[in-house]
Amino acid sequence: SQKIEQNSEALNIQEGKTATLTCNYTNYSPAYLQWYRQDPGRGPVFLLLIRENEKEKRKERLKVTFDTTLKQSLFHITASQPADSATYLCALDDSGGYNKLIFGAGTRLAVHP
Amino acid sequence: DAGVTQSPTHLIKTRGQQVTLRCSPKSGHDTVSWYQQALGQGPQFIFQYYEEEERQRGNFPDRFSGHQFPNYSSELNVNALLLGDSALYLCASSLFGVTSGITSTDTQYFGPGTRLTVL
Repeated sequence: SQKIEQNSEALNIQEGKTATLTCNYTNYSPAYLQWYRQDPGRGPVFLLLIRENEKEKRKERLKVTFDTTLKQSLFHITASQPADSATYLCALDDSGGYNKLIFGAGTRLAVHP
Repeated sequence: DAGVTQSPTHLIKTRGQQVTLRCSPKSGHDTVSWYQQALGQGPQFIFQYYEEEERQRGNFPDRFSGHQFPNYSSELNVNALLLGDSALYLCASSLFGVTSGITSTDTQYFGPGTRLTVL
């Protein structure tokens, strides 16, 4: 069956360091992969979208990689700040681009001063 | 420019009751998707509406139904509520069609959610 896995345990890092979050998937051949941020009690906020033919995408301090051979995406936050503390969700489009998203359970990131 | 809005913010119901949740999409968007998010889990796709019709559906029973109005706003109805229906219900709006991935309008914008508690 189809499955998306993210680090189940919280990730604790020191301010200024780079946070790296992992998203692995099985039994999918997604054309797109998206990353969202979610704060407690709020809806997810879109961060980045990467296509299957893109190896890497950057936006300010954020970087996403997409390896369709390994079936894995890595999400990096450089020079992390306490304000980056949140849950980060990985999502695959299960409808060829029509926004039927399948989400992972998310990884909680805590950045400590 | 208002983003996605949802009402109510919180709701408490008892088992067997029926509930209606409402969503107004972001200005310019024509497609509304509904997700259910249980505590500690990622959102799960319920269904999607475009041109007042259900276009895609996730693995949810018929107790979950919806509607989209001509102004693109949408309702989610859940009948015969179960304890397991307690969750954060999220509405997301987007433009219908294949994601081009070039502009931010291709992606989904989520509302703040409605927290439903079933006692």
